[in-house]
Amino acid sequence: DAKTTQPPSMDCAEGRAANLPCNHSTISGNEYVYWYRQIHSQGPQYIIHGLKNNETNEMASLIITEDRKSSTLILPHATLRDTAVYYCIVRVNNAGNMLTFGGGTRLMVKP
Amino acid sequence: DSGVTQTPKHLITATGQRVTLRCSPRSGDLSVYWYQQSLDQGLQFLIQYYNGEERAKGNILERFSAQQFPDLHSELNLSSLELGDSALYFCASTGTSGTGDTQYFGPGTRLTVL
Repeated sequence: DAKTTQPPSMDCAEGRAANLPCNHSTISGNEYVYWYRQIHSQGPQYIIHGLKNNETNEMASLIITEDRKSSTLILPHATLRDTAVYYCIVRVNNAGNMLTFGGGTRLMVKP
Repeated sequence: DSGVTQTPKHLITATGQRVTLRCSPRSGDLSVYWYQQSLDQGLQFLIQYYNGEERAKGNILERFSAQQFPDLHSELNLSSLELGDSALYFCASTGTSGTGDTQYFGPGTRLTVL
């Protein structure tokens, strides 16, 4: 699976959009971009994933650049409960393979 | 709620002991993955089972073993415990149609070895 690079930490004001970047310059054509988050010591929570088109669900939006070498997870209106470590992972889909977690980005949402 | 359950939530034991952690996957999911999260190592994949068979192994110690039963629940057995085995242990499951192989995680078991 391709390696990802994320900033170790970010701050965001409550109510504002949180934009979390991820670089995956060595991503292969059949690899998807997955985002998970971990709130304190809870189990990682699936957020969203995509291949090349932008994706949106009830939690977030995922913007993938045209060359697929980077992506941005957008939390449109961050709340204090969004404070967590966010992990960007690239992996081949439907292969049943494990997730490789990096260090992630620690997002702190401030009032 | 991911639909994955893990028991116990907390476990405190002594060095040299053996413990068993249990995971029940989401209804219908055939694959179970085990991960370890310690303070200095981050989240690390240990082992995967698919429909009762071992599918993949990661950084799992020889003192650790796992199995998946016919009802698809899985157990992770940790023996000859050392202080360094203190960690959070998560399981995840996949396999329900419509979700691809997105992994959904349980709440974890916090193991403390004294």
